[in-house]
Amino acid sequence: AQSVAQPEDQVKVAEGNPLTVKCTYSVSGNPYLFWYVQYPNRGLQFLLKYITGDNLVKGSYGFEAEFNKSQTSFHLKKPSALVSDSALYFCAVSFPGTYKYIFGTGTRLKVLA
Amino acid sequence: KAGVTQTPRYLIKTRGQQVTLSCSPISGHRSVSWYQQTPGQGLQFLFEYFSETQRNKGNFPGRFSGRQFSNSRSEMNVSTLELGDSALYLCASMAREGSYEQYFGPGTRLTVT
Repeated sequence: AQSVAQPEDQVKVAEGNPLTVKCTYSVSGNPYLFWYVQYPNRGLQFLLKYITGDNLVKGSYGFEAEFNKSQTSFHLKKPSALVSDSALYFCAVSFPGTYKYIFGTGTRLKVLA
Repeated sequence: KAGVTQTPRYLIKTRGQQVTLSCSPISGHRSVSWYQQTPGQGLQFLFEYFSETQRNKGNFPGRFSGRQFSNSRSEMNVSTLELGDSALYLCASMAREGSYEQYFGPGTRLTVT
């Protein structure tokens, strides 16, 4: 079965420190990869995507993610965390020519002041 | 541009009843997807509509159905509600074919008692 794993339910980091939210996938073919963020009582907001090209993708709010095909990973990173980055982060995959998405279970990021 | 809107925002229903949820995509967006979000299962893809046709479908029972109108507005219907249907139902629209970037609405919180 095709799946997306976010191995950490929660990540805590001090403000100003770098952050990493992990995502691995187990799918056939060459997937498209995404990160979304969800703030309380709101829908998901698109952060970034990897379709093709450079393995390092830059997105909104200073976030970036690195696609690693051999490790089937797409970890989300930010050099310096802000308290306002505290939210629920979702990794997702889709497939070329389809618009069906598989989401991970989410990782709650807590940035401590 | 106005964002994706969903109505109602909150709904309480009784087991066995049916419910209809509505989603209005961002103006000009023709693809609308529906997701069920629960604490235990995370986000699960229900279906996707494009130009009034269901293009993709997730693994949900036939009690879950949807449709899309000529103005791209979409409705989702759940018949014979079960307690396990209690969830946040999210709708997302996509700007253009090939972008794969979804814009989510705030969701409808359905509680089944």
